[in-house]
Amino acid sequence: DTEVTQTPKHLVMGMTNKKSLKCEQHMGHRAMYWYKQKAKKPPELMFVYSYEKLSINESVPSRFSPECPNSSLLNLHLHALQPEDSALYLCASSQDGRGYQPQHFGDGTRLSIL
Amino acid sequence: AQSVTQLDSQVPVFEEAPVELRCNYSSSVSVYLFWYVQYPNQGLQLLLKYLSGSTLVKGINGFEAEFNKSQTSFHLRKPSVHISDTAEYFCAVSEVSGGYQKVTFGTGTKLQVIP
Repeated sequence: DTEVTQTPKHLVMGMTNKKSLKCEQHMGHRAMYWYKQKAKKPPELMFVYSYEKLSINESVPSRFSPECPNSSLLNLHLHALQPEDSALYLCASSQDGRGYQPQHFGDGTRLSIL
Repeated sequence: AQSVTQLDSQVPVFEEAPVELRCNYSSSVSVYLFWYVQYPNQGLQLLLKYLSGSTLVKGINGFEAEFNKSQTSFHLRKPSVHISDTAEYFCAVSEVSGGYQKVTFGTGTKLQVIP
C-alpha cells in the first residue's frame, strides 16, 4: 500500500472542462512534487512545493495550476487542457526536500483529454 | 547539470538467471543515487539508494547496486530473478538546486523475466 494517495485514479475530460487532481500524505513530509509521465518515458518534474510554498515551476503552461492548502495536501487544477496533456500524473513527497532524501510516490492519476 | 544514462531500454532474462541493469550518471556536485521500480499502473517504489559510505548498497527484493565513482556508474544487480520482477526500472540522481531537491531520472529499463 502506498503512503501517498492520489485521487481520482482515472480522469477523462474534454478540452473545455475544469478538473482537479488531489494528492494526500500523512507522513509529515514538507516537500511535495508533481510529475508528468508519458507512456514509456521517465517522470518529468512539473512543480515542487517546500513548506507549502511553490519553490520550483519547471516552465509548466498556465493551464496547470498547483495549490498546496496545507502540509498534507497538494492539488493540481486543470483547465483548457490539450490532447498532448494526456499522461500519468504522479505526486511524490519527501521529508523536507534535501538532496539525499528519497521521494515517496503515489500511484498516479491517468488523465485522458478528449 | 546532472544527467543519467540507461543504455538498455529492454533486458530479457530467464527466470532464476542473474541480471544487471546499467546506469551511468554525471553530476557536478555531491551525488545521491537511487533506483526506483515501477510496476504496471503504479507509481515508483524505491529499491535502494546510495548516499555515502560503502559502495555496495543492498535494497529490497534481493536487489543490490554498486557505486563506482571512477566509472560514474551505479549498476543494479540481482543474482536470481523472479517473474514478479518484471517491471520498469529507473535510475535517478538527486541534487539540490536553488535550495530545493531536483531528481533527474534515466529513460528506464524494462526488465522482462521469461518463464
